[in-house]
Amino acid sequence: SAVISQKPSRDICQRGTSLTIQCQVDSQVTMMFWYRQQPGQSLTLIATANQGSEATYESGFVIDKFPISRPNLTFSTLTVSNMSPEDSSIYLCSVGEGGYYEQYFGPGTRLTVT
Amino acid sequence: GENVEQHPSTLSVQEGDSAVIKCTYSDSASNYFPWYKQELGKGPQLIIDIRSNVGEKKDQRIAVTLNKTAKHFSLHITETQPEDSAVYFCAASIGNQFYFGTGTSLTVIP
Repeated sequence: SAVISQKPSRDICQRGTSLTIQCQVDSQVTMMFWYRQQPGQSLTLIATANQGSEATYESGFVIDKFPISRPNLTFSTLTVSNMSPEDSSIYLCSVGEGGYYEQYFGPGTRLTVT
Repeated sequence: GENVEQHPSTLSVQEGDSAVIKCTYSDSASNYFPWYKQELGKGPQLIIDIRSNVGEKKDQRIAVTLNKTAKHFSLHITETQPEDSAVYFCAASIGNQFYFGTGTSLTVIP
């Protein structure tokens, strides 16, 4: 399975600022996903990011708030814009591999907004 | 859309005992059912999965069973060890859409 790294691993940010999270994969993958996991909760899909096309956002998530880039088959970024305390969460990237799109997750970015 | 329910939300077992976590799903089109283990401060790790054309799969102390008729699947951990303590998530997928359960916090008491 792919090895996935994320930067930063954690950050504390002020309200109104933006943070860009990087996701790097050690192999070329077509499908990448961004999830949010609020404390003690399950995983909520933010968007699917395929190289060469615009990201597809889930209901409740918009591009202006969570712009995503996917410049190549090994890298993606998620920006959390104009942050509020409600954005405090773990942000996870994952890749989909194989015929069943088996998903493998990165270690996560723990974001606290004050 | 698909709805995945997971029970129990918390589970405590004595070391050496077995643990069972159950999930149900609603959409018969779901055809892939992975289980993830998430340790504190880490991302979810895929530990075992099962496809819709298989009824049971085993990997050492971990097994998963699938009942397509009843639309439920279960994770079985035998001979539990303290390092099995974590949050476990089930999921059901249709194509590249994954639907996750709400998680089970497993504590193995030494």
